[in-house]
Amino acid sequence: ILNVEQSPQSLHVQEGDSTNFTCSFPSSNFYALHWYRWETAKSPEALFVMTLNGDEKKKGRISATLNTKEGYSYLYIKGSQPEDSATYLCAFKNYGQNFVFGPGTRLSVLP
Amino acid sequence: SAVISQKPSRDICQRGTSLTIQCQVDSQVTMMFWYRQQPGQSLTLIATANQGSEATYESGFVIDKFPISRPNLTFSTLTVSNMSPEDSSIYLCSVGKTDKSIYGYTFGSGTRLTVV
Repeated sequence: ILNVEQSPQSLHVQEGDSTNFTCSFPSSNFYALHWYRWETAKSPEALFVMTLNGDEKKKGRISATLNTKEGYSYLYIKGSQPEDSATYLCAFKNYGQNFVFGPGTRLSVLP
Repeated sequence: SAVISQKPSRDICQRGTSLTIQCQVDSQVTMMFWYRQQPGQSLTLIATANQGSEATYESGFVIDKFPISRPNLTFSTLTVSNMSPEDSSIYLCSVGKTDKSIYGYTFGSGTRLTVV
Protein backbone atom coordinates (compact mmCIF):
# COMPACT_ATOMS: atom_id res chain seq x y z
CA ILE A 1 0.00 0.00 0.00
CA LEU A 2 1.46 3.36 -1.02
CA ASN A 3 2.00 5.87 1.75
CA VAL A 4 1.30 9.51 0.96
CA GLU A 5 1.92 11.95 3.77
CA GLN A 6 1.10 15.61 4.13
CA SER A 7 2.37 18.11 6.63
CA PRO A 8 1.38 19.95 8.60
CA GLN A 9 -1.95 18.36 9.42
CA SER A 10 -3.44 21.80 10.01
CA LEU A 11 -2.35 25.38 10.35
CA HIS A 12 -3.72 28.79 11.09
CA VAL A 13 -2.30 31.87 9.43
CA GLN A 14 -3.18 35.54 9.44
CA GLU A 15 -4.60 37.17 6.35
CA GLY A 16 -1.73 38.39 4.18
CA ASP A 17 0.75 35.76 5.40
CA SER A 18 2.37 33.42 2.94
CA THR A 19 2.42 29.73 3.72
CA ASN A 20 3.45 26.40 2.32
CA PHE A 21 2.84 22.74 2.94
CA THR A 22 4.34 19.46 1.88
CA CYS A 23 3.23 16.26 0.21
CA SER A 24 5.59 13.28 0.50
CA PHE A 25 5.29 10.17 -1.63
CA PRO A 26 7.32 7.15 -2.73
CA SER A 27 10.04 8.21 -5.16
CA SER A 28 9.96 5.11 -7.37
CA ASN A 29 7.80 4.60 -10.48
CA PHE A 30 6.37 8.11 -10.33
CA TYR A 31 3.51 8.73 -12.76
CA ALA A 32 1.59 11.85 -11.67
CA LEU A 33 0.71 14.03 -8.72
CA HIS A 34 -2.47 16.05 -8.29
CA TRP A 35 -3.22 18.87 -5.84
CA TYR A 36 -6.83 19.56 -4.83
CA ARG A 37 -8.54 22.17 -2.70
CA TRP A 38 -11.53 20.94 -0.73
CA GLU A 39 -13.73 23.56 0.87
CA THR A 40 -16.29 22.50 3.44
CA ALA A 41 -19.59 21.37 1.88
CA LYS A 42 -18.14 21.60 -1.63
CA SER A 43 -16.44 19.24 -4.08
CA PRO A 44 -12.68 18.83 -4.18
CA GLU A 45 -11.37 21.13 -6.91
CA ALA A 46 -8.28 20.31 -8.95
CA LEU A 47 -5.50 22.88 -8.57
CA PHE A 48 -2.54 21.32 -10.34
CA VAL A 49 -1.58 18.20 -12.25
CA MET A 50 2.16 17.60 -12.09
CA THR A 51 3.93 14.99 -14.14
CA LEU A 52 7.60 15.90 -14.58
CA ASN A 53 10.43 16.23 -12.09
CA GLY A 54 11.11 19.92 -11.57
CA ASP A 55 7.58 20.93 -12.62
CA GLU A 56 6.49 24.29 -11.29
CA LYS A 57 2.85 25.29 -11.68
CA LYS A 58 1.17 28.57 -10.76
CA LYS A 59 -2.43 29.70 -10.53
CA GLY A 60 -2.85 33.20 -9.17
CA ARG A 61 -1.37 33.32 -5.67
CA ILE A 62 -0.97 29.54 -5.47
CA SER A 63 1.98 27.65 -6.85
CA ALA A 64 3.44 24.16 -6.58
CA THR A 65 6.74 22.44 -7.19
CA LEU A 66 7.58 18.80 -7.72
CA ASN A 67 10.65 16.72 -6.92
CA THR A 68 10.08 13.14 -8.03
CA LYS A 69 13.61 11.98 -7.24
CA GLU A 70 13.25 12.73 -3.54
CA GLY A 71 9.50 12.21 -3.43
CA TYR A 72 7.96 15.51 -2.41
CA SER A 73 5.85 18.38 -3.66
CA TYR A 74 5.36 21.78 -2.10
CA LEU A 75 2.26 23.94 -2.33
CA TYR A 76 2.72 27.66 -1.72
CA ILE A 77 0.10 30.29 -1.06
CA LYS A 78 1.24 33.89 -1.25
CA GLY A 79 -0.67 36.54 0.68
CA SER A 80 -3.29 34.19 2.14
CA GLN A 81 -6.90 35.33 2.09
CA PRO A 82 -9.84 34.02 4.15
CA GLU A 83 -11.26 32.41 1.01
CA ASP A 84 -8.14 30.22 0.86
CA SER A 85 -9.39 28.42 3.96
CA ALA A 86 -9.85 24.80 2.92
CA THR A 87 -8.28 21.37 3.11
CA TYR A 88 -5.53 20.88 0.55
CA LEU A 89 -5.12 17.33 -0.70
CA CYS A 90 -2.39 15.77 -2.75
CA ALA A 91 -2.93 12.55 -4.70
CA PHE A 92 -0.06 10.40 -5.95
CA LYS A 93 -0.06 7.77 -8.64
CA ASN A 94 2.67 5.41 -9.77
CA TYR A 95 2.61 3.11 -12.75
CA GLY A 96 0.04 0.38 -12.46
CA GLN A 97 -1.85 1.74 -9.49
CA ASN A 98 -4.68 4.16 -8.88
CA PHE A 99 -4.26 7.49 -7.17
CA VAL A 100 -3.66 7.47 -3.43
CA PHE A 101 -4.68 10.56 -1.49
CA GLY A 102 -2.82 12.07 1.39
CA PRO A 103 -4.69 12.97 4.59
CA GLY A 104 -4.72 16.65 3.69
CA THR A 105 -3.58 19.90 5.25
CA ARG A 106 -6.37 21.96 6.77
CA LEU A 107 -5.68 25.68 6.35
CA SER A 108 -7.51 28.39 8.25
CA VAL A 109 -6.83 31.99 7.28
CA LEU A 110 -7.84 34.42 9.99
CA PRO A 111 -8.97 37.90 8.93
CA SER B 1 -14.20 19.93 -17.37
CA ALA B 2 -17.23 17.75 -16.67
CA VAL B 3 -20.07 18.73 -14.34
CA ILE B 4 -21.29 16.07 -11.93
CA SER B 5 -24.62 15.84 -10.16
CA GLN B 6 -24.48 13.57 -7.13
CA LYS B 7 -27.53 12.58 -5.10
CA PRO B 8 -28.47 12.50 -2.27
CA SER B 9 -26.31 15.16 -0.72
CA ARG B 10 -26.82 13.73 2.74
CA ASP B 11 -28.83 11.06 4.51
CA ILE B 12 -29.31 9.52 7.92
CA CYS B 13 -29.99 5.81 7.71
CA GLN B 14 -30.82 2.99 10.08
CA ARG B 15 -28.29 0.21 10.50
CA GLY B 16 -29.05 -2.83 8.39
CA THR B 17 -30.58 -0.82 5.55
CA SER B 18 -29.05 0.09 2.18
CA LEU B 19 -28.56 3.42 0.42
CA THR B 20 -27.98 3.98 -3.29
CA ILE B 21 -26.01 7.03 -4.36
CA GLN B 22 -26.30 8.33 -7.92
CA CYS B 23 -23.76 10.18 -10.00
CA GLN B 24 -24.79 11.83 -13.30
CA VAL B 25 -22.19 13.46 -15.55
CA ASP B 26 -23.00 16.03 -18.23
CA SER B 27 -20.66 14.42 -20.76
CA GLN B 28 -19.30 11.01 -21.60
CA VAL B 29 -16.29 10.11 -19.50
CA THR B 30 -13.95 7.17 -19.65
CA MET B 31 -12.91 6.95 -16.05
CA MET B 32 -15.36 7.04 -13.14
CA PHE B 33 -14.46 6.27 -9.53
CA TRP B 34 -16.11 5.99 -6.15
CA TYR B 35 -14.34 7.23 -3.02
CA ARG B 36 -15.16 7.51 0.63
CA GLN B 37 -13.73 9.56 3.45
CA GLN B 38 -14.36 8.22 6.91
CA PRO B 39 -14.08 10.74 9.76
CA GLY B 40 -10.44 11.71 10.29
CA GLN B 41 -9.23 9.51 7.44
CA SER B 42 -7.86 10.06 3.95
CA LEU B 43 -10.01 9.98 0.86
CA THR B 44 -9.94 6.29 -0.13
CA LEU B 45 -10.79 4.69 -3.45
CA ILE B 46 -13.55 2.10 -3.21
CA ALA B 47 -13.70 1.01 -6.84
CA THR B 48 -13.42 1.97 -10.48
CA ALA B 49 -16.80 1.87 -12.20
CA ASN B 50 -16.44 0.19 -15.59
CA GLN B 51 -19.01 0.78 -18.29
CA GLY B 52 -20.78 -2.42 -19.25
CA SER B 53 -18.83 -4.68 -16.91
CA GLU B 54 -18.25 -5.36 -13.25
CA ALA B 55 -16.53 -2.69 -11.20
CA THR B 56 -12.90 -3.12 -10.13
CA TYR B 57 -12.67 -3.04 -6.35
CA GLU B 58 -9.72 -1.96 -4.24
CA SER B 59 -8.33 -4.09 -1.47
CA GLY B 60 -10.70 -4.13 1.48
CA PHE B 61 -13.84 -3.42 -0.54
CA VAL B 62 -16.18 -6.09 -1.93
CA ILE B 63 -19.04 -6.14 -4.37
CA ASP B 64 -21.55 -7.56 -1.91
CA LYS B 65 -21.07 -4.57 0.38
CA PHE B 66 -20.66 -1.88 -2.30
CA PRO B 67 -22.42 -2.96 -5.49
CA ILE B 68 -21.80 -0.53 -8.34
CA SER B 69 -23.61 -0.06 -11.60
CA ARG B 70 -22.43 1.83 -14.67
CA PRO B 71 -24.91 1.32 -17.48
CA ASN B 72 -23.42 4.01 -19.75
CA LEU B 73 -20.62 6.58 -19.95
CA THR B 74 -22.52 9.30 -18.07
CA PHE B 75 -24.12 7.55 -15.08
CA SER B 76 -23.18 5.34 -12.15
CA THR B 77 -24.60 4.26 -8.82
CA LEU B 78 -22.97 3.05 -5.63
CA THR B 79 -25.00 1.13 -3.06
CA VAL B 80 -23.88 0.88 0.54
CA SER B 81 -25.48 -2.36 1.71
CA ASN B 82 -26.43 -3.62 5.16
CA MET B 83 -25.10 -0.45 6.72
CA SER B 84 -23.44 -0.17 10.10
CA PRO B 85 -22.22 2.96 11.93
CA GLU B 86 -18.72 2.32 10.50
CA ASP B 87 -20.14 3.18 7.07
CA SER B 88 -20.77 6.76 8.19
CA SER B 89 -18.62 8.68 5.72
CA ILE B 90 -18.58 11.15 2.88
CA TYR B 91 -18.97 9.27 -0.41
CA LEU B 92 -17.74 10.94 -3.59
CA CYS B 93 -17.87 10.03 -7.23
CA SER B 94 -15.11 11.27 -9.48
CA VAL B 95 -14.48 11.33 -13.21
CA GLY B 96 -11.50 12.00 -15.41
CA LYS B 97 -10.40 11.87 -19.03
CA THR B 98 -6.86 10.77 -18.37
CA ASP B 99 -4.62 10.63 -15.31
CA LYS B 100 -2.42 13.36 -16.77
CA SER B 101 -5.19 15.63 -18.00
CA ILE B 102 -4.46 19.19 -16.95
CA TYR B 103 -7.93 19.31 -15.45
CA GLY B 104 -7.26 16.57 -12.94
CA TYR B 105 -10.25 14.65 -11.73
CA THR B 106 -13.65 16.24 -11.24
CA PHE B 107 -15.60 15.32 -8.14
CA GLY B 108 -19.25 15.28 -7.28
CA SER B 109 -20.44 17.32 -4.34
CA GLY B 110 -20.47 14.28 -2.09
CA THR B 111 -22.99 12.31 -0.06
CA ARG B 112 -22.70 12.73 3.69
CA LEU B 113 -23.99 9.51 5.20
CA THR B 114 -24.72 8.96 8.87
CA VAL B 115 -25.73 5.49 10.03
CA VAL B 116 -27.51 5.27 13.36
